[in-house]
Amino acid sequence: EVQLVESGGGLVQPGRSLRLSCAASGFTFDDYAMHWVRQAPGKGLEWVSGISWNSGSIGYADSVKGRFTISRDNAKNSLYLQMNSLRAEDTALYYCANGGGAMGYWGQGTLVTVSS
Amino acid sequence: DIQMTQSPSTLSASVGDRVTITCRASQSISSWLAWYQQKPGKAPKLLIYKASSLESGVPSRFSGSGSGTEFTLTISSLQPDDFATYYCQQYNSYPFTFGGGTKVEIK
Repeated sequence: EVQLVESGGGLVQPGRSLRLSCAASGFTFDDYAMHWVRQAPGKGLEWVSGISWNSGSIGYADSVKGRFTISRDNAKNSLYLQMNSLRAEDTALYYCANGGGAMGYWGQGTLVTVSS
Repeated sequence: DIQMTQSPSTLSASVGDRVTITCRASQSISSWLAWYQQKPGKAPKLLIYKASSLESGVPSRFSGSGSGTEFTLTISSLQPDDFATYYCQQYNSYPFTFGGGTKVEIK
């Protein structure tokens, strides 16, 4: 059974940093690109960042470029999102998902709240 | 960046209705389009990929069509389990982008 389990969310002050993790199991992790997608409370889906299977191709939404860094450790079947200079508008439920473009499996998300 | 525009934003329909949702891309994305269904409190679920390919396990009442800049998701006969919000997403190029969503409500 495919499982994606996000962790690392929480309450953080504006300007501070947070690192999200996503633990993957049930599939061959290094066969798949991975993504972070977020959803602000009551809002739609926003793609945040994606990384190819070998980290050779990485992309970011304009809203997070220069502040967030995606990475993966294929030996640990894990995906990460380093979030710096957090803003109130980064408050959202953050999902990790797998797939080259269309995202077939999703975790249940980890909530990030940016507030003083 | 490629903008994705979905319409309508809300749709009221009855069980058994044929429902069509439209998604337009601001530039050609070939067939690199996916459709997702999301229910409250749940993660999105992939329905359609590559514009018209049905994801394994998804009922055949769901279908997708289109290429270039115009795409549609059709539910041939709406079922009680289908009341949800639907999103399109382009994956032609980074940054990937989602449409604003279409909420399908009970009439």
